[in-house]
Amino acid sequence: NAGVTQTPKFRILKIGQSMTLQCTQDMNHNYMYWYRQDPGMGLKLIYYSVGAGITDKGEVPNGYNVSRSTTEDFPLRLELAAPSQTSVYFCASSYLLGGAGELFFGEGSRLTVL
Amino acid sequence: KNQVEQSPQSLIILEGKNCTLQCNYTVSPFSNLRWYKQDTGRGPVSLTIMTFSENTKSNGRYTATLDADTKQSSLHITASQLSDSASYICVVSEVRAGNNRKLIWGLGTSLAVNP
Repeated sequence: NAGVTQTPKFRILKIGQSMTLQCTQDMNHNYMYWYRQDPGMGLKLIYYSVGAGITDKGEVPNGYNVSRSTTEDFPLRLELAAPSQTSVYFCASSYLLGGAGELFFGEGSRLTVL
Repeated sequence: KNQVEQSPQSLIILEGKNCTLQCNYTVSPFSNLRWYKQDTGRGPVSLTIMTFSENTKSNGRYTATLDADTKQSSLHITASQLSDSASYICVVSEVRAGNNRKLIWGLGTSLAVNP
């Protein structure tokens, strides 16, 4: 069972470039999330989805976009990359929303914007 | 204002020793508290979950306690192993209007187990 799969694992972007972080899960979870983790900081929620076609902003959505066309996939789009978006990004999924259910995380995508 | 405070920030212990990590929170009302383990370069993995009515929960060598009155939780690791070297994160689920929930993440305690 693969769980939550993220690609790419590492990426270097130039300022102003755009890219998409891919996330797919095979646990048939309705709920999916994107977090960023910066050194010395707790996980910050960027966007989340409660099911196909439904997404909502988290704490730090500026500079990002998401879509949820299927239950399995939840890509995160970075438009006009900025150095402040240098971070490790984690995708997660859960059977129940938020704290009611355990979050299953991917391995993370380390993004550097230069 | 961080509503979930963890201590110590980092800890070094020798293999085989026990240790206790602390989590103090001000989140209220809350529905549950989880401890996650995050290995370097990996995503967090859930260790334990406790609701507000539970006092203790074990998972192998990991034992979590919760005192909802003092808003404190601890994670006790027994007979530590090298593989216990990781960051341990406390997460509290805040109950909001409409039965919505928000996860409040601590900054974690970085544990190093040396041979």
